[in-house]
Amino acid sequence: GAGVSQSPSNKVTEKGKDVELRCDPISGHTALYWYRQRLGQGLEFLIYFQGNSAPDKSGLPSDRFSAERTGESVSTLTIQRTQQEDSAVYLCASSHSRGPAGELFFGEGSRLTVL
Amino acid sequence: LAKTTQPISMDSYEGQEVNITCSHNNIATNDYITWYQQFPSQGPRFIIQGYKTKVTNEVASLFIPADRKSSTLSLPRVSLSDTAVYYCLVGEYNFNKFYFGSGTKLNVKP
Repeated sequence: GAGVSQSPSNKVTEKGKDVELRCDPISGHTALYWYRQRLGQGLEFLIYFQGNSAPDKSGLPSDRFSAERTGESVSTLTIQRTQQEDSAVYLCASSHSRGPAGELFFGEGSRLTVL
Repeated sequence: LAKTTQPISMDSYEGQEVNITCSHNNIATNDYITWYQQFPSQGPRFIIQGYKTKVTNEVASLFIPADRKSSTLSLPRVSLSDTAVYYCLVGEYNFNKFYFGSGTKLNVKP
């Protein structure tokens, strides 16, 4: 597609349930990022994938959070046993490794509400 | 990565020039400065990037003094549609982790 696509756009779940959020990066972009943005706050870095290298997971807040990416394609962010503090917009971004650093292309985000 | 400090919010009126300054006192030699814009309910959008002196594109200008310890994003003749949060990031040209901070919320009034 022309841009980064994320699904679902909105997800309401009950505390304790698992959720999966999906990101389709721009074709040809080798780098993929996940961020979390709580209401009225800035973006928190979660995880970074670059090609086939081991992902940088240093931003994941707990072991309930995990993410996978197959090659240079789709990525899935999984949150297990969701808590109310997980409520946020989860943003995915991709970039071309040979483009100007800092030129990330973001999706519209997945808004997660944990009741 | 160098830490950045920005004003939390700014107000302006349509047609005015807006300057948002970002402090990055411990910027490293290899660090670049990048600015993003985020509208409500959207992901951030890349605006401009620079290393030193002045960079200009169709959207904004970026002024960086010789010591590079700060930078100023300049938006000419803002309109209501420029109401957004503006983030300043500092990191190496090939840096991979982008820390956005809290940004500056610009409110443009009619």
